[in-house]
Amino acid sequence: AQKITQTQPGMFVQEKEAVTLDCTYDTSDPSYGLFWYKQPSSGEMIFLIYQGSYDQQNATEGRYSLNFQKARKSANLVISASQLGDSAMYFCAMREGQGATNKLIFGTGTLLAVQP
Amino acid sequence: DAGVIQSPRHEVTEMGQEVTLRCKPISGHNSLFWYRQTMMRGLELLIYFNNNVPIDDSGMPEDRFSAKMPNASFSTLKIQPSEPRDSAVYFCASSHDSNQPQHFGDGTRLSIL
Repeated sequence: AQKITQTQPGMFVQEKEAVTLDCTYDTSDPSYGLFWYKQPSSGEMIFLIYQGSYDQQNATEGRYSLNFQKARKSANLVISASQLGDSAMYFCAMREGQGATNKLIFGTGTLLAVQP
Repeated sequence: DAGVIQSPRHEVTEMGQEVTLRCKPISGHNSLFWYRQTMMRGLELLIYFNNNVPIDDSGMPEDRFSAKMPNASFSTLKIQPSEPRDSAVYFCASSHDSNQPQHFGDGTRLSIL
């Protein structure tokens, strides 16, 4: 079974609108972390936002917020007020467990295109 | 602050040659990761180190691949001999501890002819 599932290979959004990128995960470990990364066409991987499994509130970082629904095992990324520079591939990732284990499992990514 | 530094940025070589990729993690980070990204397989973890010690190398494809971390500020990923199917972007990432995000270098785009 896939540990991280991103069901949207590609998405379009109009500039200045909000967009939600889906991510579901599968783990039986009560302690885990969820991450979103952005990869623009230039190729670098940019960390966006983190949500811990025990965090009470949804994470927010500027225009990025994470819609964390633990019972549904989903951690969707919401980008508000889209900008042309948001066009990129977006990856959801999960870390299972605590301590020395810091291994991330990545989803297959969603390609977002922001249209003017 | 300097991020994760990888070299070279691009490498083109003929099959059979030895390839060495280099990585300098962010100062103070105690975990280092090597990933490979291809269109077919996405982003795969090859190996990771914690406090310079290899913790999990189950992602290393075969014996042609080896990685070392002789000290806290340097790691290498070596492919010998290289094959065309090794062509990919290789990323190095580092993090401070298990609850902190991994910060990636700009990657090495490797082409084996």
